[in-house]
Amino acid sequence: DTQMTQSPSSLSASVGDRVTITCRASQPVSNYVSWYQQKSGKAPKVLIYAASTLQSGVPLRFRGSRSGTDFTLTINNLQPEDFATYFCQQTYNLPWTFGQGTKVEF
Amino acid sequence: QVQLQESGPGLVKPSETLSLICTVSRGSIRSYYWSWVRQAAGKGLEWIGRISTSGRVDYNPSLETRVTMAIDTSKNQVSLNVNSVNVADAAMYFCARVFYNGYESHFDYWGQGTPVAVSS
Repeated sequence: DTQMTQSPSSLSASVGDRVTITCRASQPVSNYVSWYQQKSGKAPKVLIYAASTLQSGVPLRFRGSRSGTDFTLTINNLQPEDFATYFCQQTYNLPWTFGQGTKVEF
Repeated sequence: QVQLQESGPGLVKPSETLSLICTVSRGSIRSYYWSWVRQAAGKGLEWIGRISTSGRVDYNPSLETRVTMAIDTSKNQVSLNVNSVNVADAAMYFCARVFYNGYESHFDYWGQGTPVAVSS
């Protein structure tokens, strides 16, 4: 399986901060990486797909990037509604796999 | 917009079969793949498998021997069966639509999930 090693597992931040979350794939996944936001008790919501394409309706403060097998989600100017857990996912190799998640909290 | 609604028994006994249904509304089930994903309490997301509207399936090898997915296009439903359940199968189960844009796939719509507990 393709391991998606996500870091950090949690982080503390404040409103207005810039937050960076990283996923490293254990093998090539091209740019077939998506990022999801999940709030407590809710279904995940896609933010970014194809490594850097913003899903329609998602604020521009969310940005995705890729460097080889390293993928980064950056949240600029963190807003109160951004406190949540974030997951990366690769859909290049079967089985599709997710990172372990990063909880962004105060 | 498309809505997905999972339904299931809530509680299953060990060694029995778990059966879940995902009903798709406000959109067609055709021309998409559909996936099941589960999440144990406080844990990460685990992809279970995907099914096309023609019935082609791909399962996670970790569950492949116990999982069956099916699709009923006349009812706009996708089903998931997990047999010989054990406590490790207790989780929130989500169904999701797979959006394929010609080169990559991602989940663009999710259901709210249905909880499954395993206990005698």
